[in-house]
Amino acid sequence: DTGVSQNPRHKITKRGQNVTFRCDPISEHNRLYWYRQTLGQGPEFLTYFQNEAQLEKSRLLSDRFSAERPKGSFSTLEIQRTEQGDSAMYLCASSTVLGYEQYFGPGTRLTVT
Amino acid sequence: GIQVEQSPPDLILQEGANSTLRCNFSDSVNNLQWFHQNPWGQLINLFYIPSGTKQNGRLSATTVATERYSLLYISSSQTTDSGVYFCAVERKGGSYIPTFGRGTSLIVHP
Repeated sequence: DTGVSQNPRHKITKRGQNVTFRCDPISEHNRLYWYRQTLGQGPEFLTYFQNEAQLEKSRLLSDRFSAERPKGSFSTLEIQRTEQGDSAMYLCASSTVLGYEQYFGPGTRLTVT
Repeated sequence: GIQVEQSPPDLILQEGANSTLRCNFSDSVNNLQWFHQNPWGQLINLFYIPSGTKQNGRLSATTVATERYSLLYISSSQTTDSGVYFCAVERKGGSYIPTFGRGTSLIVHP
C-alpha cells in the first residue's frame, strides 16, 4: 500500500463550475476525513466517514459541498457552483476505526478564477 | 471548541542549530499528533504522542498532558527540515476530529 492518494493534484476552474475530487485511503483504514487548508492556516475539518457512513459535518460545509463514500472505500468531495472563496488546498486523511493516527494524502489544490 | 496555540509562528535557523517548538491546548486531550508539512503541501506524520516522550532520530517530542502542552525538539537542523510544523489534538470526550494549530513555519539556511 502506497498511502493515501488524491486526484487531481491541481484543479483550476471558473467561478460557477462544479468540481469533484477523489480520495483513496489506506486500504485497511475505516475512517476517512476531508479538510480544507488556506494559506497560513492549519487544516480545517470538513467531514468524516466511518466506512460508508458520514458521521460528522462541519458548519464550514455549506450546501454547495457534498461528500460520499459509497462502498466504504474511496471518497469523493463535490463542490457545486464554485466561488473564489473556495480556492484552497483540499486534504484527505484516513485512520483506523480507533482514530489514533491520521495519515494524509498529498492534497488537491483548487484555484477558482 | 478546544484552542490550540503554537509558538513561535516563524523560526529561522542556520543548519546545525537546535530548536524547540511548542503547542499549548486549552482542554484535556485524547490524542495529539505532530506533523511536518513540506513545501509541496504533504503532511507527514512525525509523532503520535498524547503523553510522554518519544524520539525518532534528530526529532523528539514530549507531551505533558496535565499541563496541556507539547514540545517538539529538532536537533542539528538540516535544510530539509524546512516547512511548517503542525500540532493537532483531539479533545477528550469529543468526537474523533482533530483541531490543528496554525503551525510554526521553519526555514533552515545552509
